[in-house]
Amino acid sequence: DAGITQSPRYKITETGRQVTLMCHQTWSHSYMFWYRQDLGHGLRLIYYSAAADITDKGEVPDGYVVSRSKTENFPLTLESATRSQTSVYFCASRETSGGQETQYFGPGTRLLVL
Amino acid sequence: GQNIDQPTEMTATEGAIVQINCTYQTSGFNGLFWYQQHAGEAPTFLSYNVLDGLEEKGRFSSFLSRSKGYSYLLLKELQMKDSASYLCAVRRGGADGLTFGKGTHLIIQP
Repeated sequence: DAGITQSPRYKITETGRQVTLMCHQTWSHSYMFWYRQDLGHGLRLIYYSAAADITDKGEVPDGYVVSRSKTENFPLTLESATRSQTSVYFCASRETSGGQETQYFGPGTRLLVL
Repeated sequence: GQNIDQPTEMTATEGAIVQINCTYQTSGFNGLFWYQQHAGEAPTFLSYNVLDGLEEKGRFSSFLSRSKGYSYLLLKELQMKDSASYLCAVRRGGADGLTFGKGTHLIIQP
């Protein structure tokens, strides 16, 4: 009963390299999200997906690419990493039940771009 | 634009009650959320309000007034483990993701 997992948990990379952050959920939730968290900004939405093969931009999508070929996986790719993409990245999925709505967050990936 | 405001930091005493306020100005409204986040960890869900009024869940309660663009999170019988950041977030009309405030860092003193 893993829920929502992310890998890697920590990553150090260099400017210009491509990096992919993985997100996997076991609940079969339709909606999945990627947020980044930076000091002074709070959590900001990068991309989200309403279902397999349906994705859309959030508040800060530039420099990122997502895909969703399967409901349970929602990888986030930094095509050419920049120092400004050093951040903590959280994946989340949404459950709606009985009028209640909850977004569950994964444990996060701490990314350092040198 | 979208604006969610909450105090940066608050201090309270173990065993006491604390109220964390959140005001928002967003285009449309589809619900207000409160999350708790301990340092170095992921946010964990506390509450969801979509209608006006008070929602109580154990030691934690959350209130919403849509006409005033205002919510608060009330924590009772404070424990040391309640020291954390508390994040207010809104789901705007027509949006699927959440817009977060910058969080309130709550310090509990013995």
